[in-house]
Amino acid sequence: AQTVTQSQPEMSVQEAETVTLSCTYDTSESNYYLFWYKQPPSRQMILVIRQEAYKQQNATENRFSVNFQKAAKSFSLKISDSQLGDTAMYFCALQGGSEKLVFGKGTKLTVNP
Amino acid sequence: EADIYQTPRYLVIGTGKKITLECSQTMGHDKMYWYQQDPGMELHLIHYSYGVNSTEKGDLSSESTVSRIRTEHFPLTLESARPSHTSQYLCASRGGVTGRQETQYFGPGTRLLVL
Repeated sequence: AQTVTQSQPEMSVQEAETVTLSCTYDTSESNYYLFWYKQPPSRQMILVIRQEAYKQQNATENRFSVNFQKAAKSFSLKISDSQLGDTAMYFCALQGGSEKLVFGKGTKLTVNP
Repeated sequence: EADIYQTPRYLVIGTGKKITLECSQTMGHDKMYWYQQDPGMELHLIHYSYGVNSTEKGDLSSESTVSRIRTEHFPLTLESARPSHTSQYLCASRGGVTGRQETQYFGPGTRLLVL
């Protein structure tokens, strides 16, 4: 069975600072995808960043980057220059060959002015 | 950018009523999903579909049913709503022939309150 664990239920950061959200996962598959999704309060779930397991290079999207450690099964998200609009629930997710996305329980991030 | 729509966005309804939550996407995605999101924000897969005339139950048992008669449409029905059905329901899709086929795109959600 595939599992995703987010060990930080809540985090906070000051505006303009950097924050890292943790995610560990478990899968027996060799080909899979990892995602970070963002769900702002009362708003739509949107994709932040994705990583293909066969690519060693860490994915980046503007202020968002990941630290993908395949052997350790770790997939953390770093947000640089945090903005008030980054306040949201962040979900780590794993997509293997089962066609289903496995989600972590989420990390609630608050960016303080 | 994905185009996936859900209606209604908010619904308040009495116990025992039949309701249908609509989900439509315009990307030609073959795979579609319904999730129930609890107050703690955890997501639970309740139904999914690989394509037309394909429906499968998800990981969380649900009294709802789904149908997939057209590629773009994946409605969810509750025959008799109960207060325990109060939740947020998210629809998602993925697939297509180009682009990020493995990425699920989500609709805005339907917040359901059953009195």
